[in-house]
Amino acid sequence: SQQGEEDPQALSIQEGENATMNCSYKTSINNLQWYRQNSGRGLVHLILIRSNEREKHSGRLRVTLDTSKKSSSLLITASRAADTASYFCATARGSGSRLTFGEGTQLTVNP
Amino acid sequence: ETGVTQTPRHLVMGMTNKKSLKCEQHLGHNAMYWYKQSAKKPLELMFVYSLEERVENNSVPSRFSPECPNSSHLFLHLHTLQPEDSALYLCASSQAIGQGYEQYFGPGTRLTVT
Repeated sequence: SQQGEEDPQALSIQEGENATMNCSYKTSINNLQWYRQNSGRGLVHLILIRSNEREKHSGRLRVTLDTSKKSSSLLITASRAADTASYFCATARGSGSRLTFGEGTQLTVNP
Repeated sequence: ETGVTQTPRHLVMGMTNKKSLKCEQHLGHNAMYWYKQSAKKPLELMFVYSLEERVENNSVPSRFSPECPNSSHLFLHLHTLQPEDSALYLCASSQAIGQGYEQYFGPGTRLTVT
């Protein structure tokens, strides 16, 4: 399995609903990051949560991290059609340069 | 805009062509990266440069040749590619390597090898 696996692979909701995406990983991490990618474009960094943090907020985004379960969740509240995109988690281990990305969750928000 | 630009945005090349992808970052970062994104697969890290020195090369075939003339520019020279090399090639930069710094991505180059 990949370090950083998102679940579900695809999610379709109505505008105004909340969207929750999950990420699981296998080894200890320094931090975990969430990125967003619109179709055929580059990734955009959304939020970084460190291994000693449990929850972080940024606007309509809420990220939680449970290091005992090696999992993280990204919650988007009051979703909008413009939130339609792929969302990736990426884990950073130790002092290495590598970020390991998962395969992403494709979120579709229907107007 | 993320402060990272890539050109060209789209490229179609034959298997015998030579072409180059260009990336430029305007963020004053010291680290730059090349990734390959294929359909249904996670992002694959290809190369990492820190202060113009290559620090990571993940078993990438020699038909891909990176060049980093300074900390703001990164190139990926392509030669004798295969159809399976068709993908979105993403450049990214970060403040430095290590400690999992957030990365800033360019819009990508959509490469099609015919």
